Amino acid sequence: QSALTQPASVSGSPGQSVTISCTGTSSDVGSYNLVSWYQQHPGKAPKLMIYENSKRPSGVSNRFSGSKSGNTASLTISGLQADDEADYYCCSYASDTTYVFGSGTKVTVL
Amino acid sequence: EVQLLESGGGLVQRGGSLRLSCAVSGVTFRSHAMTWVRQPPGKGLEWVSGINSNGDSTHYTDSVKGRFTISRDNSKNTLFLQMIGLRAEDTAVYYCAKFDGCTQVDGCALDVWGRGTLVTVSS
Repeated sequence: QSALTQPASVSGSPGQSVTISCTGTSSDVGSYNLVSWYQQHPGKAPKLMIYENSKRPSGVSNRFSGSKSGNTASLTISGLQADDEADYYCCSYASDTTYVFGSGTKVTVL
Repeated sequence: EVQLLESGGGLVQRGGSLRLSCAVSGVTFRSHAMTWVRQPPGKGLEWVSGINSNGDSTHYTDSVKGRFTISRDNSKNTLFLQMIGLRAEDTAVYYCAKFDGCTQVDGCALDVWGRGTLVTVSS
């Protein structure tokens, strides 16, 4: 049950795109199309941004997109905006009927 | 509007016990699997435990097995987390969350979260 691996930080200027990777194993990310992504602003509860690798919940901007290949999932934020500055976590269902979160990535808008 | 409100956090000595509650409103509680996620101060999220909609199937991360018990009262729309044998490393904000469209703990995303309750274990 080791945490999924994410870069500690990524940054971009307003209007640019950034991509966050999330690397797991064949027991979690690689085995299921069940990766979700969460946005967390300081002092706030996480918010679901992507589920089942690439689906967006109602109300989430289409600037957020997700994908998966093998043991690695990715979240791309296009047209970066100031309010996108937050921590982002991936999460995957795992083969032992548990969930595992990523280590988290801080997105900075320059 | 779906709302989740955690309570029961506080300061407890190492080895002590605490029971967290999560009151749920705005949704048919008995139709949804539920979960607890925690976040140590300044650190990342960690999945702790999950329970199916009926309450007869529970799952835990290895570090809390045998010490934490998740349960629910569908008549009161409330989720619980009983914690015993608390350790310093259990210090965290504990969030309850609802699985999106799942009656079992089998892969659904966490679509609604509470604001969290802080548990501090003193050594």
